[in-house]
Amino acid sequence: DVQLVESGGGLVQPGGSLRLSCAASGFSFSTYSMNWVRLAPGKGLEWVSYISSTSKTIYYADSVKGRFTISRDNAKNSLYLQMSSLRAEDTAVYFCARGPYSDSGVYYFDLWGQGTQVTVSS
Amino acid sequence: EIVLTQSPGTLSLSPGERATLSCRASQSVSRSSLAWYQQKPGQAPRLLIYGASSRASGVPDRFSGSGSGTDFTLTISRLEPEDFAVYYCQQYGSPPATFGQGTKVESK
Repeated sequence: DVQLVESGGGLVQPGGSLRLSCAASGFSFSTYSMNWVRLAPGKGLEWVSYISSTSKTIYYADSVKGRFTISRDNAKNSLYLQMSSLRAEDTAVYFCARGPYSDSGVYYFDLWGQGTQVTVSS
Repeated sequence: EIVLTQSPGTLSLSPGERATLSCRASQSVSRSSLAWYQQKPGQAPRLLIYGASSRASGVPDRFSGSGSGTDFTLTISRLEPEDFAVYYCQQYGSPPATFGQGTKVESK
Protein backbone atom coordinates (compact mmCIF):
# COMPACT_ATOMS: atom_id res chain seq x y z
CA ASP A 1 0.00 0.00 0.00
CA VAL A 2 1.09 3.57 -0.65
CA GLN A 3 1.25 5.19 2.76
CA LEU A 4 2.91 7.54 5.19
CA VAL A 5 3.07 6.73 8.90
CA GLU A 6 4.11 9.34 11.47
CA SER A 7 5.53 8.64 14.91
CA GLY A 8 7.33 10.39 17.73
CA GLY A 9 4.63 12.68 19.08
CA GLY A 10 3.89 13.09 22.75
CA LEU A 11 3.70 15.44 25.72
CA VAL A 12 6.63 17.82 26.18
CA GLN A 13 7.25 20.79 28.45
CA PRO A 14 7.61 24.31 27.05
CA GLY A 15 11.19 24.82 25.90
CA GLY A 16 11.64 21.12 25.29
CA SER A 17 12.46 19.14 22.19
CA LEU A 18 10.89 16.35 20.20
CA ARG A 19 11.75 14.49 17.00
CA LEU A 20 9.00 13.36 14.66
CA SER A 21 9.47 10.64 12.06
CA CYS A 22 7.51 9.69 8.97
CA ALA A 23 7.95 6.30 7.34
CA ALA A 24 7.05 6.06 3.66
CA SER A 25 6.16 2.88 1.81
CA GLY A 26 4.69 1.78 -1.49
CA PHE A 27 6.24 4.48 -3.67
CA SER A 28 9.62 5.80 -4.73
CA PHE A 29 10.24 8.08 -1.75
CA SER A 30 13.52 9.50 -3.09
CA THR A 31 11.82 11.08 -6.10
CA TYR A 32 9.28 13.19 -4.20
CA SER A 33 9.48 16.36 -2.15
CA MET A 34 8.01 16.13 1.34
CA ASN A 35 6.36 18.46 3.83
CA TRP A 36 5.16 18.75 7.39
CA VAL A 37 1.71 20.28 7.97
CA ARG A 38 0.02 20.76 11.34
CA LEU A 39 -3.52 21.14 12.64
CA ALA A 40 -3.86 23.00 15.92
CA PRO A 41 -6.99 22.70 18.04
CA GLY A 42 -9.63 25.18 16.94
CA LYS A 43 -7.52 26.32 14.00
CA GLY A 44 -7.06 25.42 10.36
CA LEU A 45 -4.23 23.53 8.74
CA GLU A 46 -0.80 25.23 8.67
CA TRP A 47 2.08 24.31 6.39
CA VAL A 48 5.25 23.97 8.52
CA SER A 49 8.20 22.88 6.38
CA TYR A 50 9.29 21.58 2.95
CA ILE A 51 12.23 19.53 1.77
CA SER A 52 13.07 18.65 -1.83
CA SER A 53 13.79 15.10 -2.94
CA THR A 54 17.56 15.52 -2.62
CA SER A 55 17.42 17.76 0.49
CA LYS A 56 18.91 20.57 -1.59
CA THR A 57 15.99 22.94 -1.02
CA ILE A 58 14.40 23.52 2.40
CA TYR A 59 11.75 26.01 3.50
CA TYR A 60 10.13 26.80 6.83
CA ALA A 61 7.11 28.75 7.96
CA ASP A 62 8.07 31.93 9.81
CA SER A 63 6.37 30.56 12.94
CA VAL A 64 8.94 27.73 13.26
CA LYS A 65 12.03 29.13 11.56
CA GLY A 66 15.11 28.77 13.75
CA ARG A 67 13.41 26.23 16.03
CA PHE A 68 12.47 23.31 13.73
CA THR A 69 14.72 21.35 11.38
CA ILE A 70 13.44 19.14 8.58
CA SER A 71 15.54 16.30 7.17
CA ARG A 72 15.17 13.05 5.26
CA ASP A 73 17.00 9.77 4.74
CA ASN A 74 16.17 8.39 1.31
CA ALA A 75 17.96 5.11 2.07
CA LYS A 76 15.51 4.56 4.95
CA ASN A 77 12.46 6.04 3.17
CA SER A 78 12.04 8.37 6.12
CA LEU A 79 11.28 12.03 6.82
CA TYR A 80 12.04 13.78 10.10
CA LEU A 81 11.17 16.95 11.97
CA GLN A 82 13.42 17.98 14.85
CA MET A 83 11.51 20.42 17.03
CA SER A 84 13.19 22.48 19.75
CA SER A 85 12.30 25.46 21.96
CA LEU A 86 8.74 24.20 21.83
CA ARG A 87 5.90 26.54 22.77
CA ALA A 88 2.28 25.99 23.77
CA GLU A 89 1.22 27.26 20.35
CA ASP A 90 3.10 24.37 18.72
CA THR A 91 0.48 21.99 20.15
CA ALA A 92 -1.09 20.29 17.15
CA VAL A 93 -1.46 17.12 15.15
CA TYR A 94 1.53 16.95 12.81
CA PHE A 95 1.09 15.37 9.37
CA CYS A 96 3.73 14.44 6.86
CA ALA A 97 2.54 15.10 3.34
CA ARG A 98 3.97 14.34 -0.09
CA GLY A 99 4.43 16.96 -2.77
CA PRO A 100 3.75 16.08 -6.41
CA TYR A 101 7.22 17.02 -7.69
CA SER A 102 10.82 16.41 -6.72
CA ASP A 103 11.99 20.03 -6.37
CA SER A 104 9.54 22.73 -7.47
CA GLY A 105 8.70 24.30 -4.14
CA VAL A 106 5.55 23.90 -2.10
CA TYR A 107 2.58 22.74 -4.16
CA TYR A 108 -0.46 20.76 -3.14
CA PHE A 109 -0.14 17.60 -1.08
CA ASP A 110 -1.20 14.40 -2.80
CA LEU A 111 -0.58 11.91 0.01
CA TRP A 112 -0.89 12.42 3.76
CA GLY A 113 -0.20 10.40 6.86
CA GLN A 114 -2.72 10.10 9.69
CA GLY A 115 -0.74 12.40 11.94
CA THR A 116 0.93 12.34 15.34
CA GLN A 117 -0.17 14.45 18.31
CA VAL A 118 2.28 16.90 19.87
CA THR A 119 1.22 18.55 23.12
CA VAL A 120 3.35 21.28 24.69
CA SER A 121 2.32 21.83 28.29
CA SER A 122 3.78 22.00 31.78
CA GLU B 1 0.53 35.95 2.99
CA ILE B 2 -2.74 35.08 1.29
CA VAL B 3 -5.64 34.54 3.70
CA LEU B 4 -8.31 32.07 2.61
CA THR B 5 -11.82 32.43 4.02
CA GLN B 6 -14.15 29.46 3.67
CA SER B 7 -17.92 29.68 3.90
CA PRO B 8 -20.14 28.55 5.34
CA GLY B 9 -18.49 27.24 8.48
CA THR B 10 -20.99 24.39 8.64
CA LEU B 11 -23.31 23.05 5.95
CA SER B 12 -26.21 20.83 7.05
CA LEU B 13 -27.54 18.75 4.18
CA SER B 14 -29.17 15.39 3.47
CA PRO B 15 -27.76 12.58 1.31
CA GLY B 16 -28.56 13.19 -2.35
CA GLU B 17 -28.48 16.99 -1.99
CA ARG B 18 -26.01 19.30 -3.70
CA ALA B 19 -23.25 20.92 -1.61
CA THR B 20 -21.61 24.18 -2.62
CA LEU B 21 -18.54 25.26 -0.64
CA SER B 22 -16.84 28.62 -1.08
CA CYS B 23 -13.21 29.67 -0.67
CA ARG B 24 -12.33 33.35 -1.01
CA ALA B 25 -8.74 34.62 -1.14
CA SER B 26 -7.49 37.95 0.20
CA GLN B 27 -5.61 38.46 -3.06
CA SER B 28 -5.54 36.80 -6.44
CA VAL B 29 -4.28 33.21 -6.45
CA SER B 30 -1.76 32.94 -9.24
CA ARG B 31 -2.15 30.29 -11.95
CA SER B 32 -5.32 29.01 -10.24
CA SER B 33 -3.04 27.26 -7.76
CA LEU B 34 -5.80 26.12 -5.47
CA ALA B 35 -6.48 22.69 -3.98
CA TRP B 36 -9.30 21.12 -1.99
CA TYR B 37 -9.00 18.39 0.66
CA GLN B 38 -11.43 16.19 2.56
CA GLN B 39 -10.76 15.11 6.13
CA LYS B 40 -12.73 12.69 8.26
CA PRO B 41 -12.17 12.31 12.02
CA GLY B 42 -9.05 10.30 12.80
CA GLN B 43 -8.13 9.94 9.14
CA ALA B 44 -5.50 11.45 6.89
CA PRO B 45 -6.61 14.38 4.76
CA ARG B 46 -7.32 13.39 1.14
CA LEU B 47 -6.56 15.49 -1.93
CA LEU B 48 -9.69 16.03 -4.01
CA ILE B 49 -8.94 18.87 -6.43
CA TYR B 50 -5.78 20.68 -7.57
CA GLY B 51 -5.26 23.47 -10.07
CA ALA B 52 -8.72 24.72 -9.03
CA SER B 53 -10.55 22.18 -11.20
CA SER B 54 -8.50 19.02 -11.78
CA ARG B 55 -9.71 15.96 -9.90
CA ALA B 56 -7.08 13.90 -8.12
CA SER B 57 -6.69 10.24 -8.96
CA GLY B 58 -9.59 8.09 -7.77
CA VAL B 59 -11.85 11.02 -6.81
CA PRO B 60 -15.48 10.45 -7.88
CA ASP B 61 -16.82 12.79 -10.55
CA ARG B 62 -19.52 14.10 -8.21
CA PHE B 63 -16.73 16.33 -6.85
CA SER B 64 -15.91 19.35 -9.01
CA GLY B 65 -13.90 22.50 -8.51
CA SER B 66 -14.23 25.86 -10.24
CA GLY B 67 -13.15 29.46 -9.96
CA SER B 68 -10.19 31.75 -10.50
CA GLY B 69 -8.63 34.89 -9.11
CA THR B 70 -10.03 35.26 -5.61
CA ASP B 71 -13.20 33.14 -5.69
CA PHE B 72 -13.24 29.36 -5.79
CA THR B 73 -15.95 26.75 -5.32
CA LEU B 74 -16.07 23.06 -4.51
CA THR B 75 -19.31 21.38 -5.55
CA ILE B 76 -20.49 17.94 -4.53
CA SER B 77 -23.33 17.19 -6.96
CA ARG B 78 -25.14 14.54 -4.90
CA LEU B 79 -23.99 13.88 -1.36
CA GLU B 80 -23.20 10.29 -0.48
CA PRO B 81 -23.06 9.16 3.18
CA GLU B 82 -19.27 8.97 3.01
CA ASP B 83 -19.00 12.63 1.95
CA PHE B 84 -19.87 14.05 5.37
CA ALA B 85 -16.54 15.47 6.51
CA VAL B 86 -14.51 18.67 6.83
CA TYR B 87 -13.26 20.27 3.63
CA TYR B 88 -10.25 22.59 3.37
CA CYS B 89 -9.02 24.78 0.54
CA GLN B 90 -5.31 25.57 0.09
CA GLN B 91 -3.47 28.02 -2.16
CA TYR B 92 0.06 27.28 -3.36
CA GLY B 93 0.54 30.07 -5.86
CA SER B 94 2.23 32.50 -3.47
CA PRO B 95 4.53 31.39 -0.65
CA PRO B 96 3.82 30.52 2.05
CA ALA B 97 1.16 28.01 1.12
CA THR B 98 -1.93 28.70 3.21
CA PHE B 99 -5.18 26.91 4.07
CA GLY B 100 -8.71 28.00 4.82
CA GLN B 101 -10.21 27.25 8.20
CA GLY B 102 -12.46 24.53 6.84
CA THR B 103 -16.13 23.86 6.11
CA LYS B 104 -17.85 21.02 7.93
CA VAL B 105 -20.48 19.19 5.87
CA GLU B 106 -22.81 17.46 8.29
CA SER B 107 -25.85 15.27 7.90
CA LYS B 108 -29.14 17.05 8.54
